[in-house]
Amino acid sequence: DTGVSQDPRHKITKRGQNVTFRCDPISEHNRLYWYRQTLGQGPEFLTYFQNEAQLEKSRLLSDRFSAERPKGSFSTLEIQRTEQGDSAMYLCASSSVRVGQSGYTFGSGTRLTVV
Amino acid sequence: QQQVKQSPQSLIVQKGGISIINCAYENTAFDYFPWYQQFPGKGPALLIAIRPDVSEKKEGRFTISFNKSAKQFSLHIMDSQPGDSATYFCAARGRQAAGNKLTFGGGTRVLVKP
Repeated sequence: DTGVSQDPRHKITKRGQNVTFRCDPISEHNRLYWYRQTLGQGPEFLTYFQNEAQLEKSRLLSDRFSAERPKGSFSTLEIQRTEQGDSAMYLCASSSVRVGQSGYTFGSGTRLTVV
Repeated sequence: QQQVKQSPQSLIVQKGGISIINCAYENTAFDYFPWYQQFPGKGPALLIAIRPDVSEKKEGRFTISFNKSAKQFSLHIMDSQPGDSATYFCAARGRQAAGNKLTFGGGTRVLVKP
């Protein structure tokens, strides 16, 4: 296990379609985060899980967005009825709550293009 | 609301020069300030981080300077190399109760000319 894996790397979809992204965190990390990054901007927090519990959601996460982390392992982020404004890089990160391990490890992201 | 402001948006430096990136924050509840480096097509990677109880931290060619009273911190890249050409993000994190969530600055694109 060498890092955080995200699948797919790229997704092109038509407006109105649903898309789902997957994130596999570092196995010993119990926290998992989703961020969104638009071109030329810093990542923006969307939501995070501690084990299987979703503990916080940003106001950026509209009702069309849903995230799950069954069994506290991998996570999925689904966007329903995609809009052009959803085009962005979706980044997943994981971390450990153990003392001294404050840093995140990010995946390479899923770049979504809505046409 | 942009809680972490980063400047400049871009900078060009000659090989061997010093790159300086500045960030300012508003939320006094922030307790951890990392810097991330991002190459095209990749996710951000942690470069160096500092806590507000120290004023400076150095790791190799990278140094963070922290001014708690001014709520500002900066990244200095000494002896800049072409391989340092990337986008750099400062970030800040609230206390553990806030879930380790990071607030990022807008990024600085650094180009190191050979």
